[in-house]
Amino acid sequence: AQSVTQLDSQVPVFEEAPVELRCNYSSSVSVYLFWYVQYPNQGLQLLLKYLSGSTLVESINGFEAEFNKSQTSFHLRKPSVHISDTAEYFCAVSARAITDKLIFGTGTRLQVFP
Amino acid sequence: EPEVTQTPSHQVTQMGQEVILRCVPISNHLYFYWYRQILGQKVEFLVSFYNNEISEKSEIFDDQFSVERPDGSNFTLKIRSTKLEDSAMYFCASTWGTAYNEQFFGPGTRLTVL
Repeated sequence: AQSVTQLDSQVPVFEEAPVELRCNYSSSVSVYLFWYVQYPNQGLQLLLKYLSGSTLVESINGFEAEFNKSQTSFHLRKPSVHISDTAEYFCAVSARAITDKLIFGTGTRLQVFP
Repeated sequence: EPEVTQTPSHQVTQMGQEVILRCVPISNHLYFYWYRQILGQKVEFLVSFYNNEISEKSEIFDDQFSVERPDGSNFTLKIRSTKLEDSAMYFCASTWGTAYNEQFFGPGTRLTVL
């Protein structure tokens, strides 16, 4: 079975500051890793994913995440945040099997202040 | 861009009533899921569905729940006798089923049980 831990329930940060949202996972099998974002009153949108290959993955809006197998982590970072990044961010894992369910963390609310 | 749609966006019902939540997955996807998110909590897997049968279900998905794909486009979640604790946001997701498991989520249906 897999599990995901997001240690920070809320992360307040000022605009243009860097941010890191932490995610650790536990699994007895190899996994795929995901970050989903949920804007207020909206559904879940895939932000980025790690499937294989390069351990550093990037999104189109400046976020990046690095898979660290030894530390079982997949932290999300952005060097300079915007007000529009205010949202709930969920880390998720799935076993490397086609169509396996996603296991989500409890989420981190990123609040960007002007 | 194709997307998963869900109706209604908000459903209010009395305890003990039956509700049906509807989803239209992306047209060429083959695997379908329901998740729920109780207010302030993490997103939880309910059930996965493939080839007209349940692939996996969580312990949450008890006999009060059922899923169906009544035609080639809709995917429904039925709660036979709603309880107060069923109040949550319900998300439908679908995936093509390739070597990696990118699930596309709908905007959700907020179910309120009074």
